[in-house]
Amino acid sequence: DAGITQSPRHKVTETGTPVTLRCHQTENHRYMYWYRQDPGHGLRLIHYSYGVKDTDKGEVSDGYSVSRSKTEDFLLTLESATSSQTSVYFCAIRGGGVTQYFGPGTRLTVL
Amino acid sequence: GQQVMQIPQYQHVQEGEDFTTYCNSSTTLSNIQWYKQRPGGHPVFLIQLVKSGEVKKQKRLTFQFGEAKKNSSLHITATQTTDVGTYFCAEENSHFQGAQKLVFGQGTRLTINP
Repeated sequence: DAGITQSPRHKVTETGTPVTLRCHQTENHRYMYWYRQDPGHGLRLIHYSYGVKDTDKGEVSDGYSVSRSKTEDFLLTLESATSSQTSVYFCAIRGGGVTQYFGPGTRLTVL
Repeated sequence: GQQVMQIPQYQHVQEGEDFTTYCNSSTTLSNIQWYKQRPGGHPVFLIQLVKSGEVKKQKRLTFQFGEAKKNSSLHITATQTTDVGTYFCAEENSHFQGAQKLVFGQGTRLTINP
């Protein structure tokens, strides 16, 4: 699916620990996105990138930071994980048109 | 901020029955997209509607965009077990630096009794 991988696919961590999720794409797309999905909330945008080293906040960015040092990688970091950040995280890329293609997701549990 | 309200949250039907999910906004939408997510899977793009009153069909799926561009619907005729999943609408919130920022509805989860 559009050459998007996410790692890890599952992670259990403890409150207060840092966590980094990785999104990797193989097709050189400019736009990349991080969403979280929670029951009753659909998907909510955390951060997005419009180029190498160019990022901006989404609607639920508090507690998250991102980095994009290469076109193919977009990293999402939780500096100090909290239980409210337990969620499924999806990375997405946007190709040449209007379609966003989603990665397989990372299920994160913060105990 | 902009919000799209999607109803119903859940829908259970018998196989062969029809299904409809609705998205409503208090503001005029520039366009609306629909996605499907199978259980345990990731969202997959279905379609985008742009024009007022637009109607598009994909086999048994019919997508409509309201005349005032404030609502949209997805109708599935004669559901099949392969239609199981959660259907999301999404509006384009802004277009900063060409980056399409989507705001998703809460989704409608469809389950089907075979």
